[in-house]
Amino acid sequence: KQEVTQIPAALSVPEGENLVLNCSFTDSAIYNLQWFRQDPGKGLTSLLLIQSSQREQTSGRLNASLDKSSGRSTLYIAASQPGDSATYLCAVDPHQAGTALIFGKGTTLSVSS
Amino acid sequence: GAGVSQSPRYKVAKRGQDVALRCDPISGHVSLFWYQQALGQGPEFLTYFQNEAQLDKSGLPSDRFFAERPEGSVSTLKIQRTQQEDSAVYLCASSGAGGPKEQYFGPGTRLTVT
Repeated sequence: KQEVTQIPAALSVPEGENLVLNCSFTDSAIYNLQWFRQDPGKGLTSLLLIQSSQREQTSGRLNASLDKSSGRSTLYIAASQPGDSATYLCAVDPHQAGTALIFGKGTTLSVSS
Repeated sequence: GAGVSQSPRYKVAKRGQDVALRCDPISGHVSLFWYQQALGQGPEFLTYFQNEAQLDKSGLPSDRFFAERPEGSVSTLKIQRTQQEDSAVYLCASSGAGGPKEQYFGPGTRLTVT
């Protein structure tokens, strides 16, 4: 059974720091991996999607990497800002047909000014 | 609309009441998913539709939960005889037919059962 783990559960950093969020999964046979952002009381906003054939994706100050063989993904946030404060969720799509995502519990990030 | 919409955004129900939660997916998206998110947890899969066909309902926690998508667009998640443990945020997501099948989520419905 696929399990997704995110470490750390919570992280506090001062503004301007670069940081890395970690995601691990137990079964390397995945179709793709998505990183989401969730603000309090809101839905999920997709940040980056990495297909199984890709190694990384970049969007602005965000860079996500994928190492299928070791069952790991990282989300790198450069020059963090207070507006980055949110919960970041990692999810894997385990099936070719693109079915239900399996989520980690998230990392809650707080960036202080 | 440009994104996935859900209604109501908030619902308070007394234990034993029936509730119906609505999801309007992105126009043209064939796949629709329902997830349940408990406080402090990641979303957990409930059920999946491809057009009007419910292809997977393995995540529905009990027979009190029922979902439908009769015309392949709008979907309704119904919970009968609500219990306190049903209190959660219910998220709907949709994805298109081709490509990497990125899922786009709605804002969710927060259900509180008192």
